[in-house]
Amino acid sequence: GAVVSQHPSRVICKSGTSVKIECRSLDFQATTMFWYRQFPKQSLMLMATSNEGSKATYEQGVEKDKFLINHASLTLSTLTVTSAHPEDSSFYICSASLTSGRSPYEQYFGPGTRLTVT
Amino acid sequence: AQTVTQSQPEMSVQEAETVTLSCTYDTSENNYYLFWYKQPPSRQMILVIRQEAYKQQNATENRFSVNFQKAAKSFSLKISDSQLGDTAMYFCAFMTSTGANSKLTFGKGITLSVRP
Repeated sequence: GAVVSQHPSRVICKSGTSVKIECRSLDFQATTMFWYRQFPKQSLMLMATSNEGSKATYEQGVEKDKFLINHASLTLSTLTVTSAHPEDSSFYICSASLTSGRSPYEQYFGPGTRLTVT
Repeated sequence: AQTVTQSQPEMSVQEAETVTLSCTYDTSENNYYLFWYKQPPSRQMILVIRQEAYKQQNATENRFSVNFQKAAKSFSLKISDSQLGDTAMYFCAFMTSTGANSKLTFGKGITLSVRP
């Protein structure tokens, strides 16, 4: 099956610093990746859609300057939380869209990254 | 805009019994896809089952089946012979179009507990 990894799985950073989260499609190429945020016991909230080689499309209310997304290759997208604050603490999940072999463009999810800002 | 509603926040079922999770949605689209995802305590999202709106036949995957009522915009998930490993949050999700940028719209989720 299609496997998506995220690194790191957990990260603790100090307020004011930046942290980068990587999302990789391990055995397929993904022209599109998605970044979600999830609070405990709540649903996934889409933050942005990332396309390889172009700028990410952010959902309404998501600060693009705070959450920098780069999709430099067909297997890697990164989310950088800049000048992190405690309210940015959350569970971040990425997914990658498989673009061949089946319909619809099914999303495969990474295992998530737990960010804690102290 | 599409909306997905899961009105039951929590449910509990005895091991080996059957449970049905409800989901309704609202859309003006005619072609779309519906999904049920499972999120166990590990928080890894797992696709349980998928239904294409143009198919009249309800999807089935082993112990999991759906009751898709297009006119009523209802998409419930039935879990038969519940197992302890079914304990998880379950999300109903909706997707239009078939492009790579197609977004998933999730419901709020339901926490299912399977009692031994």
